[in-house]
Amino acid sequence: GAGVSQSPSNKVTEKGKDVELRCDPISGHTALYWYRQSLGQGLEFLIYFQGNSAPDKSGLPSDRFSAERTGGSVSTLTIQRTQQEDSAVYLCASSLAQNVAKNIQYFGAGTRLSVL
Amino acid sequence: AQSVSQHNHHVILSEAASLELGCNYSYGGTVNLFWYVQYPGQHLQLLLKYFSGDPLVKGIKGFEAEFIKSKFSFNLRKPSVQWSDTAEYLCAVNAPGAGSYQLTFGKGTKLSVIP
Repeated sequence: GAGVSQSPSNKVTEKGKDVELRCDPISGHTALYWYRQSLGQGLEFLIYFQGNSAPDKSGLPSDRFSAERTGGSVSTLTIQRTQQEDSAVYLCASSLAQNVAKNIQYFGAGTRLSVL
Repeated sequence: AQSVSQHNHHVILSEAASLELGCNYSYGGTVNLFWYVQYPGQHLQLLLKYFSGDPLVKGIKGFEAEFIKSKFSFNLRKPSVQWSDTAEYLCAVNAPGAGSYQLTFGKGTKLSVIP
């Protein structure tokens, strides 16, 4: 079936505006991850969802960042009052379950966010 | 917390040249190791992985990587590169146990292969 789908592919916003990024994981994948890749940096873990369990938000850089996952499928990453340092590519990944040793993470194409 | 270092930011090779991309990690315990690749305009995809057993692992498109525990390294190799190998290569580490789902990535190495 289809892979991980992210939208929009590109987003340009003004500083101070809120943005929402969407991720549609592979059907049947219970685990969902958000990463961020800033210029010159590696992928940075943001947040993780597994089924109906409480998400691991330990990677979120500030309280302006939040994410939810409705019905165990689609996830939305929200950035409030965007700042220029939020400019990055935001990647979503999903896997069948949480054990990385047995369940490969499949990545979407990402959303390139530019904050002017 | 673990970290991953990739020594080369940008590597430029001619076709048929041999490739070795360095990857070192800092974590004293058992690790799972990965190389991901992102071709221009495409999604990040898994190239190869090491969990246990033979430290020399083979992946797609003729790539291989060797896990050397004493050196905390997982270098990626290919004997003869092709123009189609032009891509960004990312090394990642996972520490099983608590937070077993987390991947820690290096900053990536951009490979440009000149025809």
